[in-house]
This record gives sequence, C-alpha cells and structure tokens, in this order.
Amino acid sequence: NAGVMQNPRHLVRRRGQEARLRCSPMKGHSHVYWYRQLPEEGLKFMVYLQKENIIDESGMPKERFSAEFPKEGPSILRIQQVVRGDSAAYFCASSPRTGLLYGYTFGSGTRLTVV
Amino acid sequence: RKEVEQDPGPFNVPEGATVAFNCTYSNSASQSFFWYRQDCRKEPKLLMSVYSSGNEDGRFTAQLNRASQYISLLIRDSKLSDSATYLCVVNNGGGADGLTFGKGTHLIIQP
Repeated sequence: NAGVMQNPRHLVRRRGQEARLRCSPMKGHSHVYWYRQLPEEGLKFMVYLQKENIIDESGMPKERFSAEFPKEGPSILRIQQVVRGDSAAYFCASSPRTGLLYGYTFGSGTRLTVV
Repeated sequence: RKEVEQDPGPFNVPEGATVAFNCTYSNSASQSFFWYRQDCRKEPKLLMSVYSSGNEDGRFTAQLNRASQYISLLIRDSKLSDSATYLCVVNNGGGADGLTFGKGTHLIIQP
C-alpha cells in the first residue's frame, strides 16, 4: 500500500522558470493538501483540494501559484516565474475524508531550489 | 497573534528521562488535535491524536485542556531515537477543514 507519492524529490530551477510539483495521494484518499516549509520555519498551509475542486486556497500566494487535482492523475502544484524566495520544501498530504478525525499522511516532499 | 504556539527549544534531555512539551492554540472553535513528529529534512509523521479525555500510546501521553487551550505531550523513558522536532497541530475549527501546524519543539536526547 504505497503512501503519498511526491515527485520530484529535488527540483532546481533558475529564476523565471516554471516549477511543477506532483502528488499522488494514498489509495482511497480523496482529500489533498499542499503545505510549504521554509528553512527553520513551520509548515504553512497553501491549498486544499478534492477531485476537480479547489476547496480552500486561502494560503496560496495571489500570483504565480496554482494547484489542481484532476479527475485522473496526480495533483499538481505549479509555480510560474519562480523567484529565490520560492525555495522551500513543499509537502503534499492526503486524508481519506476530512482530516479532522484522521489527521494527514504526508509525502516525502519536493525540495525546490531556485538559483 | 500566533495560532499555534510552541517553545522551539531545543530541549536537551538525557536518555531515560521524562520530558514534556506544551502547546497553546488561539482558536477556541478547534476540535481536533494532533502531535506530529518531524525528523531533519523528512516529512512530518502522525505521532498521535489528542482526545479530550487524554490518551496514552506506549511511552507517549497526550493531554488536552480546552479551558486553557493547551495541549501537552509527555514522553517517558526517552530513547535516542526520540530526537526529533515535535509539531503541535490543531484543526482550524468553525466547520472549516484544514490543520494548522505549530513551528515545533526540537528535542535532543543525549546518551
């Protein structure tokens, strides 16, 4: 039973390029969450999605960031025109229903470095 | 005002000792509480949920005080492998999904 799968594990982008981070939730999990962790900082909520729906994007920066969870395939977090400040670990988590009762299971993260 | 506040530490504790962390939260509507563990450069992993009546899992005991809005984690007979950052996690409450993470308390168990 594979856990939450994130790829790539490490991603290096030059300033101005696009970064695409992928997340496949655990089997049977229909709720996906994206979090960002800056060095020496806590996890910050970005967006919560269910299949084909964005439920809560209150933590997403207004520009350059977008997320989707299509009917088929993984969830994608997309960062356009990356800047150095986007360098961070991006974690995806999933839960079978609302995370209120079950908590989340996290993937191993994608470490984005912008050079 | 921080939503979930923890002492960042580090807590340096000798092996075999008992150590306790507290965490305070600001949202009185929160209903679900968890402790996660995060090792250096790894993903957070669920350690235990925190129930109103308190709960125990082996050497770990979690307590919730709703009146004072704090959560505690007690680790008995600490092991070297307990060295990690412990994250206090609270749901956003008010019918909204989503969990808010504290910045964590860094624990170092010394031989």
